[in-house]
Parts: sequence; C-alpha cells; structure tokens
Amino acid sequence: ETGVTQTPRHLVMGMTNKKSLKCEQHLGHNAMYWYKQSAKKPLELMFVYNFKEQTENNSVPSRFSPECPNSSHLFLHLHTLQPEDSALYLCASSQAPYIDSNQPQHFGDGTRLSIL
Amino acid sequence: AQTVTQSQPEMSVQEAETVTLSCTYDTSESNYYLFWYKQPPSRQMILVIRQEAYKQQNATENRFSVNFQKAAKSFSLKISDSQLGDTAMYFCAFSPPYNTDKLIFGTGTRLQVFP
Repeated sequence: ETGVTQTPRHLVMGMTNKKSLKCEQHLGHNAMYWYKQSAKKPLELMFVYNFKEQTENNSVPSRFSPECPNSSHLFLHLHTLQPEDSALYLCASSQAPYIDSNQPQHFGDGTRLSIL
Repeated sequence: AQTVTQSQPEMSVQEAETVTLSCTYDTSESNYYLFWYKQPPSRQMILVIRQEAYKQQNATENRFSVNFQKAAKSFSLKISDSQLGDTAMYFCAFSPPYNTDKLIFGTGTRLQVFP
C-alpha cells in the first residue's frame, strides 16, 4: 500500500545537524500523526494535526518541530538531537475523528533515525 | 490512565496451525475501541482487525478473529491457518471514545511462523 509515504527511509545524523522528515498521504485524510517507536517500548504519540491545526503535543522536546502546510503533508524538523532520539519515526493519517466514532489510522513505512 | 499490556514478547507457530496472542488493557470507560496492528519487517503498521467495545460480537477478518472479554478487559487475537507471511510484530492498541485520535499501544508480540 502506498497510501502514506515517508522519506527518507533511513537517516543518520550528528547531534549538531538539522534535518527534516517528510510524510505525504494520498488517502484524502485530514488528520496526520507522528509516532516514535523505540525498541521494546510502546509506540509513543508525538503530535497530532487535524485540518492542519496541531491538536496534540505529547510533551515532546522542542528539538522536534512539526509542520503541517496542508492536509496531505507533514514534516518533522530535527535539530540538536540526542542519542536517545534514535528510533523509528512513523507517520500516520486518518479521517478527522469525531465524538464516539473511530477512524482507523493508516501508517507509513517509517524513517529509521540514527543519531551519532 | 489507560494502559495496554501484551505479556508475550515472542511466540512461534508452525505453518497451517493456529496461534493466539494475548492482550489486556485497563480503562474505566464503558465504550472504546480496540485494535490489532501487524508490523512486518517492511515496518509498515497495518491494521488487522478492530472491535468496538459496545458490540458483543467478536470481530472477524478472514483468518483473523478476536476473543473480546469486556469484563476481563481481555482482547486476544487468534490467527488460524498461519502463513509464513504472518511473521511480524503484532501490536494491540486502545482508543478512548472522547479522544479517538489517541491510540495507546502495547509493547508488541513478535510472531514467527515456521514452515
């Protein structure tokens, strides 16, 4: 399935670098999400955007900066990261949820990030 | 706070056999949503099956079915006629009714299907 595309697939960066992760969805959804997946830990929700507006910031350090220019694109800007930030970063999209109804999330393949 | 627990870090099954993955959760809500996601080595998280808590009937999707025990807060996944392509990490997830864009995941179970 190519509904949610993430680039790059792998990224290695030093702690002083600045890089960006990109996510694009072709499903006509209007909600997008960033998750962090570390080994042996549950997926951690980082950010949620509904109709381009950020509706959730799950206590994420400011060295991670999301951007959602439109409902189809989501970026995660990275700067001065730490070694513990090495993880798989997953993007997802869904129809915007409404009370007492659930819209399943569709995930991309993730970006494997390694901080040197 | 809602939590999801998967107590089996790894499981294995022979091809064509049946395997059951366990999941328990904790919530004070009466209505919510439960999911099983599959993450193969390709890394994409794929929705396998979902259950709405107010529905008593267990959800079924082809070879995948769930055993939803609401009182026990248990949501196990049964895979029948296991195939090599079922080899993956399986994650159980919970979504509350008032914040349906919030998915709470368990730590996952790694399933290996052997020929």
